[in-house]
Amino acid sequence: QVQLVQSGAEVKKPGASVKVSCKASGYTFTGYYMHWVRQAPGQGLEWMGWINPNSGGTNYAQKFQGRVTMTRDTSISTAYMELSRLRSDDTAVYYCARDLAGVAGLWGRGTLVTVSS
Amino acid sequence: EIVLTQSPGTLSLSPGERATLSCRASQSVSSSYLAWYQQKPGQAPRLLIYGASSRATGIPDRFSGSGSGTDFTLTISRLEPEDFAVYYCQQYGSSPETFGQGTKVEIK
Repeated sequence: QVQLVQSGAEVKKPGASVKVSCKASGYTFTGYYMHWVRQAPGQGLEWMGWINPNSGGTNYAQKFQGRVTMTRDTSISTAYMELSRLRSDDTAVYYCARDLAGVAGLWGRGTLVTVSS
Repeated sequence: EIVLTQSPGTLSLSPGERATLSCRASQSVSSSYLAWYQQKPGQAPRLLIYGASSRATGIPDRFSGSGSGTDFTLTISRLEPEDFAVYYCQQYGSSPETFGQGTKVEIK
């Protein structure tokens, strides 16, 4: 079955970087865009961007431009989201989600990233 | 950036009742690129509706979406116990894609 398995929780200090992975299985990895969405504790959803695993092309929300990098490794069907220069308000659950007709159709379970000194 | 405003913030209803959730956009959503998600505590969101009115795979037909332009609606025809959750709308017609702030459907 189609599955997205995300990496485990992370604790980072302000100013550091974090790289979250999302391993896909059960479908052709290069056939579907991958979205990244985050959710701060007790808050709503925030779209970060997407990557085309086939070409490597990306589209980032302007808010994260210069701090976020989405990449992929097609040999292991894994997408990555790296966020740099972390601040306390980057504390959130980060989700990857496989595309369906332009939207986040199938979601991973999420990765909690805590930024704290 | 398109701002989505969902109303009401909380909807208190009983099982079996009809739920009507609203999502209003600050400008027209291109090609009805409007989606609805359900999220339960401690879980990832689940896609319910895309393209304003198309149900995602496996979504019961008691969920329906409608609307165009700036006004969209998610209707749950008869609430089941498992439907009590938070619902988000999202527009994906222009970048950045944006979400509404959510509507909580709670048991009355």
